[in-house]
Amino acid sequence: DADVTQTPRNRITKTGKRIMLECSQTKGHDRMYWYRQDPGLGLQLIYYSFDVKDINKGEISDGYSVSRQAQAKFSLSLESAIPNQTALYFCATSGVNTDTQYFGPGTRLTVL
Amino acid sequence: LAKTTQPISMDSYEGQEVNITCSHNNIATNDYITWYQQFPSQGPRFIIQGYKTKVTNEVASLFIPADRKSSTLSLPRVSLSDTAVYYCLVGDKRGSTLGRLYFGRGTQLTVWP
Repeated sequence: DADVTQTPRNRITKTGKRIMLECSQTKGHDRMYWYRQDPGLGLQLIYYSFDVKDINKGEISDGYSVSRQAQAKFSLSLESAIPNQTALYFCATSGVNTDTQYFGPGTRLTVL
Repeated sequence: LAKTTQPISMDSYEGQEVNITCSHNNIATNDYITWYQQFPSQGPRFIIQGYKTKVTNEVASLFIPADRKSSTLSLPRVSLSDTAVYYCLVGDKRGSTLGRLYFGRGTQLTVWP
């Protein structure tokens, strides 16, 4: 969905490096999410934000941090990347009073 | 949070109707049932949502029995492009459980020529 964009689309990095994944949306939604997907598995929620001043941990927040710079922007950081953080990362948004989520195209991250 | 159980995989041929059943025994009164579709290396995409009985849109139909403990996604006359993973989710439409939706592993549907 072009309304939700993620950068970069692909990234290869080394163990110990700090990495930031960025998400932007033009849907005007208040709620934003970061998910991680490992091969053959479903999506696991890392962090979510219901508005600019609200940040919540998801199922697997250890090793990750987030920043909600504006309504339209939600960034995910890996402070010190490790190989088991190699995965596909998705950003999603949703409006208030609905649970329909709109996903970005994903970022494929490889940690060597 | 109501979790769901669905088959890991299904196979079909082009032109056939495919029915994917999802169990959600602990569904709450305020919960809706939502299905998403995910193609390889893409984010999931909303397909359909319902509360009870039957819902139909241009993509699929959703059948929900009176007890709401299960639901069936029906894809009419599938094509090769319907090959994807299909996720069944249960949650409060008003969003009070938003952010805690459980995607699970989904059902890998493979359509053969």
